[in-house]
Amino acid sequence: AQSVTQLDSHVSVSEGTPVLLRCNYSSSYSPSLFWYVQHPNKGLQLLLKYTSAATLVKGINGFEAEFKKSETSFHLTKPSAHMSDAAEYFCVVSERGGADGLTFGKGTHLIIQP
Amino acid sequence: DTGVSQDPRHKITKRGQNVTFRCDPISEHNRLYWYRQTLGQGPEFLTYFQNEAQLEKSRLLSDRFSAERPKGSFSTLEIQRTEQGDSAMYLCASSLESQETQYFGPGTRLLVL
Repeated sequence: AQSVTQLDSHVSVSEGTPVLLRCNYSSSYSPSLFWYVQHPNKGLQLLLKYTSAATLVKGINGFEAEFKKSETSFHLTKPSAHMSDAAEYFCVVSERGGADGLTFGKGTHLIIQP
Repeated sequence: DTGVSQDPRHKITKRGQNVTFRCDPISEHNRLYWYRQTLGQGPEFLTYFQNEAQLEKSRLLSDRFSAERPKGSFSTLEIQRTEQGDSAMYLCASSLESQETQYFGPGTRLLVL
């Protein structure tokens, strides 16, 4: 069975400083991993995905994530936070080509301080 | 490509009533998924269709819940005899069979009084 643990429920950073959102996963297979973002009153938007190609994945809006199999981690980073990055971020794992649906973490609320 | 749409966006109902939600996927997507998201939690998988066939159902999908996708296009999710615990955001997503990336609709927020 697959599972996801987002290690921080809230992360607060100052605008212009780096962002790190931590995620660990558990999977019986070789999973696909995703990060989705959810802005208030908006739908879930895909930031990036890892599907067993390059371990460093670049996504939209300057975000990237590194897949580390030995640590079962898939942390999300951004070099410089922007006010518009304030949102809820979900780490997601998928097995069997999505046949079991996506398994979401509980989310990390990113707060950007001016 | 107009994205995934859901209707209604909000629904308030009284306990014991039945409600039905609709999802229209991206037109060429043959897979359609339903999720439920409660406050402060990530979405949880309920069920999915490949074309018109319902292939997986989560144990979260009690007997009061039923989903259909009769022509392999839009889908409906019905909740019978609603309970206050059914209050949540119900999300729909779609994908191509050949790709794992799911595209989400805006959701239907249900409040059961």
